[in-house]
Amino acid sequence: GEDVEQSLFLSVREGDSSVINCTYTDSSSTYLYWYKQEPGAGLQLLTYIFSNMDMKQDQRLTVLLNKKDKHLSLRIADTQTGDSAIYFCAEQGTYKYIFGTGTRLKVLA
Amino acid sequence: DTAVSQTPKYLVTQMGNDKSIKCEQNLGHDTMYWYKQDSKKFLKIMFSYNNKELIINETVPNRFSPKSPDKAHLNLHINSLELGDSAVYFCASSQERQASFYEQYFGPGTRLTVT
Repeated sequence: GEDVEQSLFLSVREGDSSVINCTYTDSSSTYLYWYKQEPGAGLQLLTYIFSNMDMKQDQRLTVLLNKKDKHLSLRIADTQTGDSAIYFCAEQGTYKYIFGTGTRLKVLA
Repeated sequence: DTAVSQTPKYLVTQMGNDKSIKCEQNLGHDTMYWYKQDSKKFLKIMFSYNNKELIINETVPNRFSPKSPDKAHLNLHINSLELGDSAVYFCASSQERQASFYEQYFGPGTRLTVT
């Protein structure tokens, strides 16, 4: 199947780290992506990782990839209230993305 | 400058009507998409077009008909609207920059409400 699973909700305190997890299905995906959706807006690319990498760091964002378990995670360090949004992982298909179910991150001040 | 734009932003209509949503991108991309996001925020691909040719149709009912008059536009026409069509519809575009990698740029969405 093509279901990409994420936990639906995550709540953290401002300044803490957030970890958003994703389990994907297609082991042939060359790239895996994280997108952010703010309220009332479209999706914006946050970061991505090539499938032969285990980790990618980009400022406050760290992406970990466990290809054997088809598990992808996004860690946001020093989470801020502006990080409150829905986060989608996506695996790359042919001429399409397959998006995860989305994780709604709520940051408490 | 808006990269991917959609009109209208909001659309409220009655069951049985026919409506269209327009999408335009000024990025020079060769691939465009329509996604549907339901009330639970699940996001599913509906169609993708590459160089004006339909590439993907993800078992979308025939009532939905995309049309791409040129590479910069991908419109979505919906016939005989049903309550279940209520959702946010996102247009997106991409250009393959290197082997296998492409970033999709999303429009702001069109919230369709069918009453």
